[in-house]
Amino acid sequence: QSALTQPRSVSGSPGQSVTISCTGTSSDVGGYNYVSWYQQHPGKAPKLIIYDVSKRPSGVPDRFSGSKSGNTASLTISGLQAEDETDYYCCSFAGSYTWVFGGGTKLTVL
Amino acid sequence: EVQLVESGGGLVQPGGSLRLSCAASGFTLSSYWMHWVRQAPGKGLVWVSLSDNDGSNTGYADSVKGRFTISRDNAKNTLYLQMNSLRADDTALYYCTTGGSSGFEYWGQGTLVTVSS
Repeated sequence: QSALTQPRSVSGSPGQSVTISCTGTSSDVGGYNYVSWYQQHPGKAPKLIIYDVSKRPSGVPDRFSGSKSGNTASLTISGLQAEDETDYYCCSFAGSYTWVFGGGTKLTVL
Repeated sequence: EVQLVESGGGLVQPGGSLRLSCAASGFTLSSYWMHWVRQAPGKGLVWVSLSDNDGSNTGYADSVKGRFTISRDNAKNTLYLQMNSLRADDTALYYCTTGGSSGFEYWGQGTLVTVSS
């Protein structure tokens, strides 16, 4: 159960797009279409923003999108806004009733 | 309104035990798989444990296997995490959250566990 690999930080200017990668193995990300993404503001509980690789829960803006290729999943945030500046985590089902999170990525809006 | 309220955290010495509770309201606990996720101070999220709808299937992270036990009382709409043989690296904010394989939808605000002498 090794943590999924995310970049520690990414940055972009308002209005631009950024992509956060999440790399696992064929035993987790690559083996199932059960990748989810979470946004967490300081001192707050995480918020689900993408599930099943690319689906958005009700209320999540369509600026947030997800995809997967092989063992790497990606979260793309388009039309960056100041309020998007925070931490993002990926998570994948890893079989046998286990899950694994990524180490987290800090997004800075320049 | 769905609400999850964790309790039972506190300061415990290394080697000690704690039982966390997660009281659910606004929905029927038996309809959901339930998880515990923890976050050490200033660190990332770590999945800890799962209970399926009736507790017949459970899962654990390698780091807690054999020391932690997840359980639930659907009649009381409450999820539990029994934590034994606690270590300093178990210090974290512990969240309960709902979800199947798709993702963790509802989260509580967490209960802080500090393991220190």
